[in-house]
Amino acid sequence: GAGVSQTPSNKVTEKGKYVELRCDPISGHTALYWYRQSLGQGPEFLIYFQGTGAADDSGLPNDRFFAVRPEGSVSTLKIQRTERGDSAVYLCASSLSPPDTQYFGPGTRLTVL
Amino acid sequence: SQKIEQNSEALNIQEGKTATLTCNYTNYSPAYLQWYRQDPGRGPVFLLLIRENEKEKRKERLKVTFDTTLKQSLFHITASQPADSATYLCALNHGSGNTGKLIFGQGTTLQVKP
Repeated sequence: GAGVSQTPSNKVTEKGKYVELRCDPISGHTALYWYRQSLGQGPEFLIYFQGTGAADDSGLPNDRFFAVRPEGSVSTLKIQRTERGDSAVYLCASSLSPPDTQYFGPGTRLTVL
Repeated sequence: SQKIEQNSEALNIQEGKTATLTCNYTNYSPAYLQWYRQDPGRGPVFLLLIRENEKEKRKERLKVTFDTTLKQSLFHITASQPADSATYLCALNHGSGNTGKLIFGQGTTLQVKP
């Protein structure tokens, strides 16, 4: 079956712009996670959804970051007023229900110029 | 402070040998620990999960140990092959209940030479 997909695969934007990153989880997976990975580092937890609600958003670095999952499937990570320090690979993962195995997408590489 | 640490230096070994990767953590009490493989430009791929009440887990050529007293997990690949070359990440769960929130180490890059 299809795995986790993320779009776009690459996004280049200018400092101060708004971006949206999309994640399509594996069908039937109720849990969805967003992570951020900088070069040479492991993924860093951002937010976790159980169904439509954000069960844990403790990893969001500040209020410029926001994520939604309105129908309990697709999720969008939104970043306002992007900064150069936001440049990283944003990874999405899904699982049947926590704490089951998480299946990761290929990531979106965000570059803020 | 809370930390999870893996060997930051790349591990280079000869094909056929056993690779051993280390994951140490401080100020966490994880219910389980996972190992993932990550290839360049790809997302992590799950390999093995070991629970706090398990000392060892095996899957084909892979073996993981979990010592909650030492706060350490060891990941072994026996009869290593060049195709095993990748970055290996350990991750532990963190937070109350079964949130599935994972805290990752920085990863260790393994290079297996033919």
